Amino acid sequence: GAGVSQTPSNKVTEKGKYVELRCDPISGHTALYWYRQSLGQGPEFLIYFQGTGAADDSGLPNDRFFAVRPEGSVSTLKIQRTERGDSAVYLCASSLGQDSPTQYFGPGTRLLVL
Amino acid sequence: DQQVKQNSPSLSVQEGRISILNCDYTNSMFDYFLWYKKYPAEGPTFLISISSIKDKNEDGRFTVFLNKSAKHLSLHIVPSQPGDSAVYFCAASGGAGKSTFGDGTTLTVKP
Repeated sequence: GAGVSQTPSNKVTEKGKYVELRCDPISGHTALYWYRQSLGQGPEFLIYFQGTGAADDSGLPNDRFFAVRPEGSVSTLKIQRTERGDSAVYLCASSLGQDSPTQYFGPGTRLLVL
Repeated sequence: DQQVKQNSPSLSVQEGRISILNCDYTNSMFDYFLWYKKYPAEGPTFLISISSIKDKNEDGRFTVFLNKSAKHLSLHIVPSQPGDSAVYFCAASGGAGKSTFGDGTTLTVKP
């Protein structure tokens, strides 16, 4: 079956602009996670959803970052007033449920803020 | 404070030999541990996992060992193959939700 998909695969934007990153999880997976990966580091947790609700958003770095999952499937990560330090690979993952620790990752969106 | 540490950024082994990748953690609340493999320009792919109630889990060429008292786990790959060359991430979960990842070890298997 289809895996986790993320769009766009690459995004170049200017400092101060607004960006949206999309994640389409594996069908039937109720839990969805966003991570950010900087060069030479492991994925860093941002937020996870169980169904439509954000169950844990403790990893969001500040209020410029926001994520939604209105219908319990596709999720959008939104970044306002982008800064150069936001440049990273943004990874989305899904799992069968919050009690299923094995996560299935998408290929990521490479964000570059100039 | 980094709760999951992979102290070796890189490892190089000869094809056919054993690869041993190590991981240390500090949070006693972690009860499930996973290894992911990552190729360039792809997302991490689940490889093998172990629950804290076990000390060993084996899947083909891959074995994960857990030493709870030392807060240490290791991944053994035997025999190593060139296709195993990738970045390996150790991850730990404390129940519902997020995993905490180490910074990865780049494994190179030489033919």
